[in-house]
Amino acid sequence: DAGVTQSPTHLIKTRGQQVTLRCSPKSGHDTVSWYQQALGQGPQFIFQYYEEEERQRGNFPDRFSGHQFPNYSSELNVNALLLGDSALYLCASSLGGNEKLFFGSGTQLSVL
Amino acid sequence: SQQGEEDPQALSIQEGENATMNCSYKTSINNLQWYRQNSGRGLVHLILIRSNEREKHSGRLRVTLDTSKKSSSLLITASRAADTASYFCATDMRFGAGTRLTVKP
Repeated sequence: DAGVTQSPTHLIKTRGQQVTLRCSPKSGHDTVSWYQQALGQGPQFIFQYYEEEERQRGNFPDRFSGHQFPNYSSELNVNALLLGDSALYLCASSLGGNEKLFFGSGTQLSVL
Repeated sequence: SQQGEEDPQALSIQEGENATMNCSYKTSINNLQWYRQNSGRGLVHLILIRSNEREKHSGRLRVTLDTSKKSSSLLITASRAADTASYFCATDMRFGAGTRLTVKP
């Protein structure tokens, strides 16, 4: 039973570029949530997708957008990258909303 | 925005000792969850306690919840070097800044 998988594991971009991160949820899960975690900080909630729609959103600008596909996998897109976007991006899946989250190992994004 | 706040920020103990971490939150909740993170990678779910529960146990873990004080505590008994990690509480999809636990062998 595969857990949550994220790709790529590491990514280096330059300011102003755009990036797409991908996530496949744990088998049987229908909800995907995305988090940004800066070094030494807790995960910050970006948004949550359920039934291909954004259900909840944290305090992130519109440069951060997402998508959920019919197979429940998800993408996180960040436009016009800033240096401050450098962080570990974590995807978590669950069955339903706020219950137990299963996390992937994350994508380490560096913006130069 | 963060919902929970852990205390202390960092904790260093000897193997075999108990470790207690606290979490405070701001609004009413349906449940509160604790997670562990090793080396800045994915988080692992430890335990979920619902708002109508006061205490919950899982192996060496004991979690308490006081909704009147909007606080929770996580107790790890008989700690091991492998317990070295960051511990986070979460409510309503929001996480705190975490407690960094170091267990010395």
